[in-house]
Parts: sequence; C-alpha cells; structure tokens
Amino acid sequence: AQSVTQLGSHVSVSEGALVLLRCNYSSSVPPYLFWYVQYPNQGLQLLLKYTSAATLVKGINGFEAEFKKSETSFHLTKPSAHMSDAAEYFCAVSEAGNQFYFGTGTSLTVIP
Amino acid sequence: DTAVSQTPKYLVTQMGNDKSIKCEQNLGHDTMYWYKQDSKKFLKIMFSYNNKELIINETVPNRFSPKSPDKAHLNLHINSLELGDSAVYFCASSQFGASGRADTQYFGPGTRLTVL
Repeated sequence: AQSVTQLGSHVSVSEGALVLLRCNYSSSVPPYLFWYVQYPNQGLQLLLKYTSAATLVKGINGFEAEFKKSETSFHLTKPSAHMSDAAEYFCAVSEAGNQFYFGTGTSLTVIP
Repeated sequence: DTAVSQTPKYLVTQMGNDKSIKCEQNLGHDTMYWYKQDSKKFLKIMFSYNNKELIINETVPNRFSPKSPDKAHLNLHINSLELGDSAVYFCASSQFGASGRADTQYFGPGTRLTVL
C-alpha cells in the first residue's frame, strides 16, 4: 500500500529565508507526485506535479520540487519566503488503480 | 468559470437531521471524489466515482451515501447527522490517465458542516 509521509506538521521560517517542506513516499513503482497548497478557508490548489518527466519540477509562486527516486522523496522548496506563502501544504501521490493518497499536511508560518 | 463547485458553502444543522451537499465539475473529467477534512486539516478520502460507478468506498458510516447522476455531478447525502460529522467536505475531480493513474485533482471550495 502506498503511504505519504510529511516530516514536520509545523514549519516556521523568516520572511526571505529558504522554505523546505519534506515529503517521502513508499511505492515500488514511481508514482505521480503532487504538492498542493491550501489557504485559510479555501480548497486545495495545485502547486506542481511530477509525472515521470524532468525530475526537477517548477510550480507556481516560485516553488519547485525535486523527485529523488533513490531517496523516495519529493521535497518542496522556495528560495525566499513571502508572507503570502503562509498556508497548509499537502504532498500527494497517485498510483495505479485511481488511488490518490495525501500526506497529513505541513502548516507553514512565515515570520516577518 | 468555476471548475469544481459545491453547494452550500456552509451548513449548520441539528443532530439527527438529514442533509445533502452537491458538487458539479465542468472540466469534463471522468472521476470525482469526496474528502472529509477534520479540524487538524487531515484529509480523508471517502468515495471515488469513475464514469458514474463507485470505485473507492473507504470505511465510512453507511449514513453517508454518494450519488452520481452523471459524470459531471457527485452529491453526498448524510443521514442522521452526528456531532462527529462536523468537518469540511471537499469535492474533487480528475481525469484517469492513460498510464492507469489519476492525474491532478481539482478541488471545490469546500462545505463547512457544523452539527449542533
């Protein structure tokens, strides 16, 4: 069975600092991988996705993620945090059979 | 043009009542989902429909019954509401890819259900 682990349910960074949100998955076959963002009182919005093309994926709002098969990881980064990045972030995987799995989420706080 | 819409956005009701939440997508996707998000933001998949057929039915009380009249609609009916049903319910849709995996899920704005 697939599982998605997001290390750190809460991450705080200073404005302008590097953002690093961690995601590891377990799968014998490379799945599709996604990062979603959820702003307060809103639905989830796609940030970026990996579907077996380039391993470094660029998304919206300056975010990017790198697929590392050897580490079964898909960590999300942004070079410089903005106040507007404060939100809940979810990693997700999609594998065969229409199964879609979400991590437990990481709440990002940006300190001015 | 809203891709995935849900009604109502807020729903406040008494224990024991029956209520429905409606979802519509105009993306032409063949798969739709219902998720429950609790107060800790944990997302739990409840149901998935592909071309109007139920394909995922996670362990949820049988008080919850999904209905898909067509590919663009997936409604959620809840009988005998309980306090523990209070949560945000999200509808989502995706297209089942040629690779045999679901592609990007597009989410609705959510329905905040409060059971008193």
